[in-house]
Amino acid sequence: AQKITQTQPGMFVQEKEAVTLDCTYDTSDPSYGLFWYKQPSSGEMIFLIYQGSYDQQNATEGRYSLNFQKARKSANLVISASQLGDSAMYFCAMGVGTSYGKLTFGQGTILTVHP
Amino acid sequence: GAVVSQHPSRVICKSGTSVKIECRSLDFQATTMFWYRQFPKQSLMLMATSNEGSKATYEQGVEKDKFLINHASLTLSTLTVTSAHPEDSSFYICSAWPAAGPNYGYTFGSGTRLTVV
Repeated sequence: AQKITQTQPGMFVQEKEAVTLDCTYDTSDPSYGLFWYKQPSSGEMIFLIYQGSYDQQNATEGRYSLNFQKARKSANLVISASQLGDSAMYFCAMGVGTSYGKLTFGQGTILTVHP
Repeated sequence: GAVVSQHPSRVICKSGTSVKIECRSLDFQATTMFWYRQFPKQSLMLMATSNEGSKATYEQGVEKDKFLINHASLTLSTLTVTSAHPEDSSFYICSAWPAAGPNYGYTFGSGTRLTVV
């Protein structure tokens, strides 16, 4: 069975600074995908970034980058130049197998950006 | 991009009544939809996987007779909470496999906040 762990219940960052949200995973399947989502208080799930297990390079999307360390089974999200609008709950999720199927979510990290 | 429309966004119902939540894929065909439940400040817990034209697959501990899932077409999946009780009050959200590929992420509906009084 697969498992996703986010050990930071809450994180604080100053506006314009970078922040790293931790995510570790566990699966025996060599094919998997890792996803990060942002959930503001409205409840919608906003897709941020994806990393496939066979991808050689770390994924980047604008201010978001994924620090993928396969041997350590970690997939940390790095947000550069934090903005007040980044304050939200962040989830790491994993799908396994050739077509991923259902996602397993971590516990989430509440990020608060201070002005 | 792929859009999943979920309705209603918010519903209050009386204990003992049933509530239907709809998720509709607007610009793609969703052969598979996933239904999640989320309590305040907690993670998303998968309830069931619905496949078009077949019975849903429920996760362990989820009462299939209470949470009825129907996926009758390639663009519509519904979740009906039958005989709702206050403990069923939660945030329900659906998701579809990324039609454009995993680089675009799974597409989620906007969620339904259910309050049973």
